[in-house]
Amino acid sequence: AQSVTQLDSHVSVSEGTPVLLRCNYSSSYSPSLFWYVQHPNKGLQLLLKYTSAATLVKGINGFEAEFKKSETSFHLTKPSAHMSDAAEYFCVVISYSSASKIIFGSGTRLSIRP
Amino acid sequence: DVKVTQSSRYLVKRTGEKVFLECVQDMDHENMFWYRQDPGLGLRLIYFSYDVKMKEKGDIPEGYSVSREKKERFSLILESASTNQTSMYLCASRPGQGGKYGYTFGSGTRLTVV
Repeated sequence: AQSVTQLDSHVSVSEGTPVLLRCNYSSSYSPSLFWYVQHPNKGLQLLLKYTSAATLVKGINGFEAEFKKSETSFHLTKPSAHMSDAAEYFCVVISYSSASKIIFGSGTRLSIRP
Repeated sequence: DVKVTQSSRYLVKRTGEKVFLECVQDMDHENMFWYRQDPGLGLRLIYFSYDVKMKEKGDIPEGYSVSREKKERFSLILESASTNQTSMYLCASRPGQGGKYGYTFGSGTRLTVV
């Protein structure tokens, strides 16, 4: 069985400071892991993905994530937050065994303080 | 740039109306999906399709049907709209089978049933 847990429902940081959004997963198989971002009243946009290649994955808008198998984690980071980063972020795991089985985390709302 | 286009951003319909939500993708993807997104409930899969004229029920198909007559178009139909179908509806597509492919989402349709 697969699952994904986003450890924080809300994260607030000051502009210019680092961002850390935490995600832990559970998977019987080698997982494919993704981070998506959703701005208010918009669809979901792919930030980055891990599919068993390099464990440090770079995405758009300066975000990156590191796959740590020993910790079953896939945390999203950014060195310096920008006001435009304020959004909802979803960690997602997709089963290799079933193309339709996509598991969404519950989401983390990121707020940026001026 | 690849796209998934949902025909309406906002819709207001009356209870009992038949409602069509249209989704078109220009990436020649085999798989297409309809989700609804509600606060506190996350994204829930309504229906998906592996190929033209093929459809599979997701987790919450009741009150909905779908149509896929052409590869690029996947329509969600609310046979008789009810107020509990007020939600954000998201269409997505992805190529092939297996977990390494991410999903491309449309911008969403916010449906209000009054």
